[in-house]
Amino acid sequence: ETGVTQTPRHLVMGMTNKKSLKCEQHLGHNAMYWYKQSAKKPLELMFVYSLEERVENNSVPSRFSPECPNSSHLFLHLHTLQPEDSALYLCASSQSGAWNEQFFGPGTRLTVL
Amino acid sequence: GQSLEQPSEVTAVEGAIVQINCTYQTSGFYGLSWYQQHDGGAPTFLSYNALDGLEETGRFSSFLSRSDSYGYLLLQELQMKDSASYFCASNTGTASKLTFGTGTRLQVTL
Repeated sequence: ETGVTQTPRHLVMGMTNKKSLKCEQHLGHNAMYWYKQSAKKPLELMFVYSLEERVENNSVPSRFSPECPNSSHLFLHLHTLQPEDSALYLCASSQSGAWNEQFFGPGTRLTVL
Repeated sequence: GQSLEQPSEVTAVEGAIVQINCTYQTSGFYGLSWYQQHDGGAPTFLSYNALDGLEETGRFSSFLSRSDSYGYLLLQELQMKDSASYFCASNTGTASKLTFGTGTRLQVTL
């Protein structure tokens, strides 16, 4: 247990569906991240929130919409996804300034049909 | 964009020592981190080098040479449980943006 939880762990959705991924950290951190991990590819940073403000948006399509209501919670809202969006979506947290030492959740395995 | 290159696979025998290399592009380089990820698991932080030299944490050590844009992770007294993927990562240009390497899959055999 890293102190970062994600729900759901698995999600299957159609291209016209709308769903949300949830992440919660219990470490007292003030920075949170979304990553995408596809087979045989490096982890790709999607979004970074520091002190509840988005500080990085790594050229992610608008069909992915993040939300950070407070320093402990992070959401990723999904709509009209494509099959190529199927991947493991990982949430992480850290102290802002300690960007290199991130604590990851177990991820949500997303399949888009 | 930034990129970090690692060997794709390494195989070593239990009890041996293995070194996993990482070369990176510079420009605004802050430091080099290492993460371990078991199959089906989340990446876990192993070490971070901001300065040149060797950092030791138990059986794992990490080395950085800024002049060579190169680092490595050294795993000693290998155990079967060390079989996993290992990623180097750096924040370059923007401190909050971590870029991960291609990953090295380590297989420890008997």
